[in-house]
Amino acid sequence: DAGVTQSPTHLIKTRGQQVTLRCSPKSGHDTVSWYQQALGQGPQFIFQYYEEEERQRGNFPDRFSGHQFPNYSSELNVNALLLGDSALYLCASIDAGTSPFGEQFFGPGTRLTVL
Amino acid sequence: KNEVEQSPQNLTAQEGEFITINCSYSVGISALHWLQQHPGGGIVSLFMLSSGKKKHGRLIATINIQEKHSSLHITASHPRDSAVYICAVSQGGSEKLVFGKGTKLTVNP
Repeated sequence: DAGVTQSPTHLIKTRGQQVTLRCSPKSGHDTVSWYQQALGQGPQFIFQYYEEEERQRGNFPDRFSGHQFPNYSSELNVNALLLGDSALYLCASIDAGTSPFGEQFFGPGTRLTVL
Repeated sequence: KNEVEQSPQNLTAQEGEFITINCSYSVGISALHWLQQHPGGGIVSLFMLSSGKKKHGRLIATINIQEKHSSLHITASHPRDSAVYICAVSQGGSEKLVFGKGTKLTVNP
């Protein structure tokens, strides 16, 4: 079992550009959450996808959007990048069958730097 | 005020010492999670608990629901325990996690 995988590992973009980050959940997991972790801070919830729909959303602007595919993998898209979007982006997968106490499995993260 | 508060923010210990990290929360929860984050970013789930106490090796996690407080203890600490330890809560059936800012632990040999 490969666990949760994310790509790319690192990414450098310039202000105003758009970026797409990818996540493949742990085998058998159908729910994917995305988190943003700024340097020295705890992760902040962006949104969660289940059955290809956004089920819950945190306090992030519409520039942040996502998608979930039939194989449960997910993408996070950020448009019109700002310097403040520089962060580690974490994906976590859950087996919804164990909800609401499901253990979350985290990927290694994508470090985004906006110049 | 953050919904999840951790203390201390930074902790330095000598190998072999007993470590305690505290977490207080101000919202209703369905479960509390302790996670470990190493340099480079990867996060590993250590414990998920909704009551009482759990033990895994040298790690012990306790929670007091009435006081809205949890502690993570590390016995016989080792330099490989050096990491950021994060407390997070999931609320009312939602699987969204609300995180504390983390406690950076350094264990010196």
